[in-house]
Amino acid sequence: AQSVTQLGSHVSVSEGALVLLRCNYSSSVPPYLFWYVQYPNQGLQLLLKYTTGATLVKGINGFEAEFKKSETSFHLTKPSAHMSDAAEYFCAVSDQGGFQKLVFGTGTRLLVSP
Amino acid sequence: DAGVTQSPTHLIKTRGQQVTLRCSPKSGHDTVSWYQQALGQGPQFIFQYYEEEERQRGNFPDRFSGHQFPNYSSELNVNALLLGDSALYLCASSPQAPDLQYFGPGTRLTVL
Repeated sequence: AQSVTQLGSHVSVSEGALVLLRCNYSSSVPPYLFWYVQYPNQGLQLLLKYTTGATLVKGINGFEAEFKKSETSFHLTKPSAHMSDAAEYFCAVSDQGGFQKLVFGTGTRLLVSP
Repeated sequence: DAGVTQSPTHLIKTRGQQVTLRCSPKSGHDTVSWYQQALGQGPQFIFQYYEEEERQRGNFPDRFSGHQFPNYSSELNVNALLLGDSALYLCASSPQAPDLQYFGPGTRLTVL
């Protein structure tokens, strides 16, 4: 069975500081990996995805993530936080070639202070 | 091009009642998945529909059922509502290429 662990239910940074949100996964087959963002009272918006190929993935709004198979990690980073980045972030995993069932982590709330 | 739409936005029901939630997928998408997101939790997979058949199901009781219509839209039905069914219900659609799901804004269900 697949699973995702997101370390830290809350992460606080100052505006302009580095953002690092951690995600570790467990999968018995090669995974697809995703990061989604959720703003209050809204659905999920895809930030980026890893399927195959290049392990450093760039997404929207300046976010990127690196797939590290040896560490079973897919951490999300952004060099400089903006106030508008404050939201809930979810890491998710699905099977390669499967039926796209996404297994989500419990989420990390990013707080950005001025 | 409209994205994934869901209706209603909010819904209040009492225990024991039945509810139907609706989802229209993004244009060109033929697969619809439903997720339940309890407060403070990540979304959990309920089931997925493709070609009007339930293709995969998560760990949810039979009180949760669904349907997909020929135009690919979908319904989620929940019978005998429990307080614990209160959650945000998210619909996601995807094309044949199995690497991306687009989520709707969700339906907030409150069971009193």
